Amino acid sequence: KNEVEQSPQNLTAQEGEFITINCSYSVGISALHWLQQHPGGGIVSLFMLSSGKKKHGRLIATINIQEKHSSLHITASHPRDSAVYICAVRSGGSNYKLTFGKGTLLTVNP
Amino acid sequence: SQTIHQWPATLVQPVGSPLSLECTVEGTSNPNLYWYRQAAGRGLQLLFYSIGIGQISSEVPQNLSASRPQDRQFILSSKKLLLSDSGFYLCAWSEEGLRGTQYFGPGTRLLVL
Repeated sequence: KNEVEQSPQNLTAQEGEFITINCSYSVGISALHWLQQHPGGGIVSLFMLSSGKKKHGRLIATINIQEKHSSLHITASHPRDSAVYICAVRSGGSNYKLTFGKGTLLTVNP
Repeated sequence: SQTIHQWPATLVQPVGSPLSLECTVEGTSNPNLYWYRQAAGRGLQLLFYSIGIGQISSEVPQNLSASRPQDRQFILSSKKLLLSDSGFYLCAWSEEGLRGTQYFGPGTRLLVL
């Protein structure tokens, strides 16, 4: 079983819809990252969080440490949000390693 | 501002040939550097990381090696490529220490035939 599970694997939405992507993990962590990978392959770091909630523009990331769960929300989705969204966790302690989920492919249709 | 470069962008190599992928970072000093591979249909996997010149940690046993000859240069190599080495290779950097966000390069798509 992968240590980081994302759902759904694929998500199709209409422009303007509210999007939620979920990430569950099975180990204690020191930080969780949300990344965005566009079709060309380039990866952009969206958020790094260890507690609570962060917001950047139309993107909101939340994390519940007790439940080992994080969500990424996109409000007023747009076709340019179409990408693979990847959750990654860094376990606690002196550890540089990130463990990645397999990603969620989001397609937003106009 | 900091930038990260990778080259080449794409590479097609025969089985058994050597490999050298290069990653350089500008605008920062003593970064942590990482090599990741993304195989088709699979998540990203950390291959190597480095916290300083000449300091390389390997995460998974494999056919590849990494070197850091300069502070902001990270090289991924192989003496003899295997078919299973095909994939998308990403370099990343973060600020010194454990807590930084990782910033990814544009990646190199490698196809071994």
